[in-house]
Amino acid sequence: EDQVTQSPEALRLQEGESSSLNCSYTVSGLRGLFWYRQDPGKGPEFLFTLYSAGEEKEKERLKATLTKKESFLHITAPKPEDSATYLCAVPGGNNRKLIWGLGTSLAVNP
Amino acid sequence: DGGITQSPKYLFRKEGQNVTLSCEQNLNHDAMYWYRQDPGQGLRLIYYSQIVNDFQKGDIAEGYSVSREKKESFPLTVTSAQKNPTAFYLCASRRTSGRALETQYFGPGTRLLVL
Repeated sequence: EDQVTQSPEALRLQEGESSSLNCSYTVSGLRGLFWYRQDPGKGPEFLFTLYSAGEEKEKERLKATLTKKESFLHITAPKPEDSATYLCAVPGGNNRKLIWGLGTSLAVNP
Repeated sequence: DGGITQSPKYLFRKEGQNVTLSCEQNLNHDAMYWYRQDPGQGLRLIYYSQIVNDFQKGDIAEGYSVSREKKESFPLTVTSAQKNPTAFYLCASRRTSGRALETQYFGPGTRLLVL
């Protein structure tokens, strides 16, 4: 069964303390992976699409990487405004639906 | 500005009442989706529609109904058969260009509460 697992469930960092979030998946024939950011009480905001293993994308303090088994979201020198829940998702078998992880809740303390 | 709008932001339902959540998009997207989000359970798909006048059940369709009469609109009705409707409801849309990976874009959500 296709599945997406995110770890850790929650992460608390000090401002400037870099770290990584993990998204591992078991799907037949990976066709890519999405990362989203969600603030409390709001809809998810699109961050990145990674299409194939080895691909990397960056946006400000965020860098997403993809291997054949997992993706990492690296956060470099985070700021309090980076506090949010980060979600990853992969296309399901028929490409019409996404399979979602439960997310990592990130808190960055000033 | 192109985007997805959901209304209302908060909705209160009385026992035995049907309520309808609105979702409108002006992105010219063909596909639209409804998700339910509960604490600790992530995003669960209720219904989706790839094209006007066609829609499919997602993973938790029981107690919900939808219509897709216009490309821009995909309203969700929470019926009295849905016994635990309290949740955050999210609408999303995407292009269907034939590529495997078209991004889903989300609206701001509607929080449904039971009185």
